[in-house]
Amino acid sequence: AQSVTQLGSHVSVSEGALVLLRCNYSSSVPPYLFWYVQYPNQGLQLLLKYTTGATLVKGINGFEAEFKKSETSFHLTKPSAHMSDAAEYFCAVTAPRNNRLAFGKGNQVVVIP
Amino acid sequence: ETGVTQSPTHLIKTRGQQVTLRCSSQSGHNTVSWYQQALGQGPQFIFQYYREEENGRGNFPPRFSGLQFPNYSSELNVNALELDDSALYLCASSNRTGEFYGYTFGSGTRLTVV
Repeated sequence: AQSVTQLGSHVSVSEGALVLLRCNYSSSVPPYLFWYVQYPNQGLQLLLKYTTGATLVKGINGFEAEFKKSETSFHLTKPSAHMSDAAEYFCAVTAPRNNRLAFGKGNQVVVIP
Repeated sequence: ETGVTQSPTHLIKTRGQQVTLRCSSQSGHNTVSWYQQALGQGPQFIFQYYREEENGRGNFPPRFSGLQFPNYSSELNVNALELDDSALYLCASSNRTGEFYGYTFGSGTRLTVV
């Protein structure tokens, strides 16, 4: 079975500061990894994904993540936080020919002016 | 291209009742997955439908059932509702290799069981 761990349910960051959300995964096969964002009362929007190839993945809204197999990690970063980044962020894992995503518990990001 | 549409957006039901939630998949997608997101938690996989048949199921009891129609839209049915069924129910559509190309999620149906 695959799983994801996201530590720290609430993350506060000052406007303009670095956003760093940590995600560690467990998988017995090469994983596919995703980050989704959820704004209040909305569904999930795909930020970025890693399947194969380059381990540094760039997504929408200035976010990027790096797949590190040796650390079983897929941390999400953004150099400068914006007020519009306030939302909940979920890391998820799956694998080739696997029909389901396993999500972490999420990080609620609060941006302080 | 149209996205994933779910209806209704909000629903209040009484314990023991039955509920049907609906999902229209994104144009070009033939696979629909359903997830349950309890308050403060990440989404949990309920099941997936492909070509009108169940194609994998998570750890949910049989009172959770579904259908997929020839136009790839889908329904989630929950019988004998319990208070713990209160959650946001998300539908996600994809093509057959959704795990590679990604899933498109709808805005969800907020179910409250009282």
